[in-house]
Amino acid sequence: QLQLQESGPGLVKPSETLSLTCTVSGGSINSLYWSWIRQSPGKGLEWIGYIYYDGTTNYNPSLKSRVTISVDTSRNHFSLKLTSVTAADTAVYYCATDSSSTRWYVWGQGTQVTVSS
Amino acid sequence: EIVLTQSPGTLSLSPGEGATLSCRASQSVSRSLAWYQQKPGQAPRLLIYDVSGRAAGIPDKFSGSGSGTDFTLTISRLEPEDFAVYYCQQYGSSQYSFGQGTKLEIK
Repeated sequence: QLQLQESGPGLVKPSETLSLTCTVSGGSINSLYWSWIRQSPGKGLEWIGYIYYDGTTNYNPSLKSRVTISVDTSRNHFSLKLTSVTAADTAVYYCATDSSSTRWYVWGQGTQVTVSS
Repeated sequence: EIVLTQSPGTLSLSPGEGATLSCRASQSVSRSLAWYQQKPGQAPRLLIYDVSGRAAGIPDKFSGSGSGTDFTLTISRLEPEDFAVYYCQQYGSSQYSFGQGTKLEIK
C-alpha cells in the first residue's frame, strides 16, 4: 500500500527558502504524478504543483516564479523548494499522488510550516 | 483563476437524512471537477473525480453531478462518519483551484 511522509523544518525565516521532502514507501516513484498542496486558514487549499517521474513539472502560475519540485528516483522521494517565503506561506503542506495529474488519491499526513523570524 | 464558490457554508443535518452540496465555478470547467472530504487533523480524501466517477473504495452513497459551472455532491443516508468538511476542486484550467468548503455538521 502506497504511503507518503512529509519531512522538513517546521519553522522558516522570512525571505529564506522552504524545503520539504516527501518519502514514498510501499511502491516505486517511477510512475504516477507527485504533487504538493498546501492548506492555510486564510487561503484554504492551494495546489502548488506536480512532477512526473520522468521529471516533467507543472506549477501553479501564482507560485511558479518561486517553486521548484524535483524527484530523486534513487531515494524514492520528491522535494519542494519555495523561495523568498513570507508569512503568507505559513500552511500545512501535503504531498499527494495519483495516476492522474489532476487529482490526488493518496496523501501524506501533512506537515505544518510556519514562516516567522 | 477560476473561483469555486461552495454553498451552503455550513449544513446541519441529522443522521439518516440526505445531503446536497453545491459548487459553482466562475467559468466553465466542463466536467473537470472533483470532490474531497476532510476530517479534523486529517488530509483530504478523494471521493469523486470527473464530476461523477467514484474513487476507489468510495461507497455509492456518494454521487456527483453537473457540468459547466454548476455541480452537486449528494450524500444519501448520512452516517456519523460522513460529518466533515467537503471541498470541490477544478482542473479545467492550468491553475487548479479549490472551493472554500462546506461543513456538514450534526444537527
